[in-house]
Amino acid sequence: AQSVTQLGSHVSVSEGALVLLRCNYSSSVPPYLFWYVQYPNQGLQLLLKYTTGATLVKGINGFEAEFKKSETSFHLTKPSAHMSDAAEYFCAVSGGTSYGKLTFGQGTILTVHP
Amino acid sequence: ETGVTQSPTHLIKTRGQQVTLRCSSQSGHNTVSWYQQALGQGPQFIFQYYREEENGRGNFPPRFSGLQFPNYSSELNVNALELDDSALYLCASSFSRYEQYFGPGTRLTVT
Repeated sequence: AQSVTQLGSHVSVSEGALVLLRCNYSSSVPPYLFWYVQYPNQGLQLLLKYTTGATLVKGINGFEAEFKKSETSFHLTKPSAHMSDAAEYFCAVSGGTSYGKLTFGQGTILTVHP
Repeated sequence: ETGVTQSPTHLIKTRGQQVTLRCSSQSGHNTVSWYQQALGQGPQFIFQYYREEENGRGNFPPRFSGLQFPNYSSELNVNALELDDSALYLCASSFSRYEQYFGPGTRLTVT
């Protein structure tokens, strides 16, 4: 079985500040890891993914995440927050015989203050 | 390129009724997955269809069923609706194991 824990259901930052959203996963097989963003009343948009290879992955809108196997973590960062980054962010894992099944965390709501 | 579309956008049903939600996959994608997202929670996997066959199922009762058609569009059917079925239902299509592309969802309210 796989699981995802997102630390902090709400994160608040000032515009221009560093964004750090935390994600820890549990998986008995090599994981595929994903970050999705959800704006109000919309579906999910893929920000970035880790499958194999380079552990630092870059995504859209200036976001990046680093896969740390020893820490079972896949934290999402962005050097400088923008007002348009305000949304809910979901970390997800898949792998093994469940490559097609995404297991999501509970989500983190990011608020950006001017 | 047309993305994933879902219909209807919103739906209100009464407990005990049946509902059908529809999803058109992104062009070139042969796999469709359905997720249920309750208010304030992350999406939960319902099932996946690959080339018209169910290819994995989450922890949902049999009254949740689905179909995939030759054009890879899909339906999610829920019988005997319960109040707890109120949620956003998300469809995602994919061609590989790496990425799933989500539609805007159908908001189902059961009263």
